[in-house]
Amino acid sequence: DVKVTQSSRYLVKRTGEKVFLECVQDMDHENMFWYRQDPGLGLRLIYFSYDVKMKEKGDIPEGYSVSREKKERFSLILESASTNQTSMYLCASSYPGEVEELFFGSGTQLSVL
Amino acid sequence: GQNIDQPTEMTATEGAIVQINCTYQTSGFNGLFWYQQHAGEAPTFLSYNVLDGLEEKGRFSSFLSRSKGYSYLLLKELQMKDSASYLCAVKNSNYQLIWGAGTKLIIKP
Repeated sequence: DVKVTQSSRYLVKRTGEKVFLECVQDMDHENMFWYRQDPGLGLRLIYFSYDVKMKEKGDIPEGYSVSREKKERFSLILESASTNQTSMYLCASSYPGEVEELFFGSGTQLSVL
Repeated sequence: GQNIDQPTEMTATEGAIVQINCTYQTSGFNGLFWYQQHAGEAPTFLSYNVLDGLEEKGRFSSFLSRSKGYSYLLLKELQMKDSASYLCAVKNSNYQLIWGAGTKLIIKP
């Protein structure tokens, strides 16, 4: 069974803390993505990567960075967490092709106090 | 700008049929997706349309009209487990995915 695993289901952090969200996929997918999901809004793309050591900014990269040192792992970093980064964070992966169906992790609900 | 519109919430009865609409305005078109997301869970892929017409997959069907910027997801023989949010997403000419806010479907016995 294909799997995208996010390290934490719930996370509570303080303003100004550095936060790491980890995502691992076991499908040998080239493409990996980080989205945030907020009530009443569509998924918004933060960063994506099409290969190891490669990263591209999405629609809302401000305040975030990413790391992809290995093909299966894509990390999202909040350098200095702020309250407006309280959100559900979803990691996804896909294999390049016409359809590029996304496989999502279960999400990390991050609360920044 | 680019946007995807879908109803915020719909209610239907177990055993019935429901149609969830999605209209889009994007810079170009390279496919439309429907995903299902149960509360507290990951979205899962349901369907993909790139040509006009109806794609049927069991109890679920998805329709696309590119000239009208319109799609719908049709769910037949509704079951309680179909209670979920349904997300519409369009891939634009830059191969970026533009997402709707989702439609929360409530199934009543």
